[in-house]
Amino acid sequence: NAGVMQNPRHLVRRRGQEARLRCSPMKGHSHVYWYRQLPEEGLKFMVYLQKENIIDESGMPKERFSAEFPKEGPSILRIQQVVRGDSAAYFCASSPGAAYQETQYFGPGTRLLVL
Amino acid sequence: QKEVEQNSGPLSVPEGAIASLNCTYSDRGSQSFFWYRQYSGKSPELIMFIYSNGDKEDGRFTAQLNKASQYVSLLIRDSQPSDSATYLCAVGALSNFGNEKLTFGTGTRLTIIP
Repeated sequence: NAGVMQNPRHLVRRRGQEARLRCSPMKGHSHVYWYRQLPEEGLKFMVYLQKENIIDESGMPKERFSAEFPKEGPSILRIQQVVRGDSAAYFCASSPGAAYQETQYFGPGTRLLVL
Repeated sequence: QKEVEQNSGPLSVPEGAIASLNCTYSDRGSQSFFWYRQYSGKSPELIMFIYSNGDKEDGRFTAQLNKASQYVSLLIRDSQPSDSATYLCAVGALSNFGNEKLTFGTGTRLTIIP
């Protein structure tokens, strides 16, 4: 009974490269959330997706960041032309629904380091 | 700006004592309240959730909610060294897009002293 899966667990990129983070939700979950956690800070909501739809991207930076959740395959968070300030832990969470009181379960995270 | 405030700590509690973690929130429309535990370098793990005013107990953990005061707390009885972690308070409210959106506090770092 696999939980939320993320890969890679650690990712090192040089400034200007692209980072691609993948998330597979728990079985039976069709709602995916991405969060970013900067060192010594709390989790910040980035985007909420359902299959083939971006529902709420109010937390996404306006440039360089994009997310998708295709009909087949994992959800992907893409960061283009990374900068050092993008270094953080990126967590994906999934839930069976999106209404009130649906618990979000977190994956192990991807720790991105930009050199 | 909807905010969730927690004392960052560190909070040090002797083993076997009660640890009390507090959280306040600014959005009166919030409906769901969660406590997550996060060990260093690991992902958040759900400890408890509470939706109604009052107390909710689960083993050694008790969550308390007071919506009038916009205050939620977590009590840990008989504290164990394995409880040493950062505890994140998360508050859920309905977004403009119809989904529940969680806002997290920065966390309280708890250390249980053997």
